[in-house]
Parts: sequence; structure tokens; C-alpha cells
Amino acid sequence: NAGVTQTPKFQVLKTGQSMTLQCAQDMNHNSMYWYRQDPGMGLRLIYYSASEGTTDKGEVPNGYNVSRLNKREFSLRLESAAPSQTSVYFCASSLAGGPVETQYFGPGTRLLVL
Amino acid sequence: KQEVTQIPAALSVPEGENLVLNCSFTDSAIYNLQWFRQDPGKGLTSLLLIQSSQREQTSGRLNASLDKSSGRSTLYIAASQPGDSATYLCAVKAGNQFYFGTGTSLTVIP
Repeated sequence: NAGVTQTPKFQVLKTGQSMTLQCAQDMNHNSMYWYRQDPGMGLRLIYYSASEGTTDKGEVPNGYNVSRLNKREFSLRLESAAPSQTSVYFCASSLAGGPVETQYFGPGTRLLVL
Repeated sequence: KQEVTQIPAALSVPEGENLVLNCSFTDSAIYNLQWFRQDPGKGLTSLLLIQSSQREQTSGRLNASLDKSSGRSTLYIAASQPGDSATYLCAVKAGNQFYFGTGTSLTVIP
């Protein structure tokens, strides 16, 4: 199994450009998450999707939009990139429905906004 | 809002030593606590998960404990090896979200 995959691995954008980060999981998980990781800040939740067709804001949603395309795929879109969005972005998935819920992470997308 | 803290931020030990990493959280209303390992430039790999009703979990040289009432967890690594060098993060699940600490960067010196 591939687990959680993310594309692209690395991206450089100019301020104001847009892009979509793609995430897919093949573990039949119902919940999916987007995080950003910045030095000294830990992982912060941007958006999550508890099930297909639903999305909710996390701690730092401003400047981002998400789409839960189907059960497998969860994309993150930056409509107008800003230097403050330079970060490493991680997608994760989990099988929710009970108290025991392990998150599985993708390898990350490194984004540089100039 | 749940706050998760990890102390120390960085730790260096000689090979073979036993060590303890600490994680604390402010709200005891959690479903579970998970310890992860992150290698430089990589994603997170799950090490251990402790349910809120459990006190500890063990996997090989790793032992994680949970004291929910005091808001604390420890990750014990026995007989450390250079390959254990990485950043270790803890995360708690509360509601529908996971809350992460900032991690402890561990270096095991050969």
C-alpha cells in the first residue's frame, strides 16, 4: 500500500500566485487533515474533513481552501500565495469512529513563496 | 484551547543511555495520546498510541506512559542508539482534532 501520498514534493511560488496541493490515501480512512509545520511552532491544523462531503476549519485556515473530492482525496488550495505561507505542508488521514484513532502522515510538500 | 508542551526542546545523550522525553497537555479531556518520530525532511511516523483509559504502551525499546489527570505523558527510550536520532512529537486527540507539541530533537552520540 502507498499509504498517504502528496504532490508536489516541492514548489516555489511568487506572491499572488495560486496552487493546489494534492493528497490521497488508499487506507479507506474517513478522516483527512491538512497541517502546516513551521520552525518553533509545531504542527498546526489548517482544515480537516471528518468524512466525505464535510470540511471544517482548524487553527489557521485563513488564506486556504480545501476540497474533499471523494473518500480518497483531499486537496488544499492557496488562492493568492503570501510569503507567510512559506512552510512545510503535511496531509494526514485516520480511521475515525472510536477513541482509538491513529494518524498516518504523508511525506510533506515544501512550499516557498517569494 | 488545548496546549501541548514538550520539554526539553533538544537533548543529546551518549549511545547506550536510557532517556525520557516529556509531554504535557492542559486539558485532560482527551481521547488518546500519540507519540511520533520525524526524521529531517520527512513526514511523521507513529511510534505508540495510548488510549485515554490506558496507563502505558510498549513497543520494543520504547515505553510510553500516560497520566491523564495530571496532563502528562513520558516516552522512555532504553539503550539509545545513533539511529534513534530524530525529532519526537506527541499529539493528543480532543474532539475531532489532534493537537501537537513542538517536539524534542534527540541526538544520540556514538
